[in-house]
Amino acid sequence: DAKTTQPTSMDCAEGRAANLPCNHSTISGNEYVYWYRQIHSQGPQYIIHGLKNNETNEMASLIITEDRKSSTLILPHATLRDTAVYYCIVRVANNNDMRFGAGTRLTVKP
Amino acid sequence: SQTIHQWPATLVQPVGSPLSLECTVEGTSNPNLYWYRQAAGRGLQLLFYSVGIGQISSEVPQNLSASRPQDRQFILSSKKLLLSDSGFYLCAANRDWTQYFGPGTRLTVL
Repeated sequence: DAKTTQPTSMDCAEGRAANLPCNHSTISGNEYVYWYRQIHSQGPQYIIHGLKNNETNEMASLIITEDRKSSTLILPHATLRDTAVYYCIVRVANNNDMRFGAGTRLTVKP
Repeated sequence: SQTIHQWPATLVQPVGSPLSLECTVEGTSNPNLYWYRQAAGRGLQLLFYSVGIGQISSEVPQNLSASRPQDRQFILSSKKLLLSDSGFYLCAANRDWTQYFGPGTRLTVL
């Protein structure tokens, strides 16, 4: 699976949009971009995934660049409960190993 | 919907003692099941996965073993714990090739 690069940490004001970037310049054509988050002392929570089209669900939006070398997870109205470590993972759909890196620690501030 | 249960939530064990962690899944049949370990401040490491009853694949050599006695039950065991076995143990199950995680068991070996 392709390697991903994310900023170590980010801050966001409560009520504002949080935009979390991820670089995956070596992504292959059959690899999906997945996003998870992990709130302290809990299991990772699935957020969203996509292949090449932008995706939106009740939690977030995923914007994938046309060349698929990077993506952005958008939390449209961040709340204090969105404070967590956010992981961007690139993998082939049927790969059994979710390779979680260090992720981005997002802190939402009042 | 799929629900993953893990117990116990926390566990403190002496070095050399045995270990048994249990994971059960509701709301799905014949899932792929996974055991991950997360050391403090680190990413997730895949330990074992199972595609069916009695079928276990080990990803890394270690002091642990896994078993799947029933379709929706996955057990992580050790005969003699080491200090290095301390960590946050996560069970996951797939649905449509997306992995969903349980709440985790925090193990401290003293």
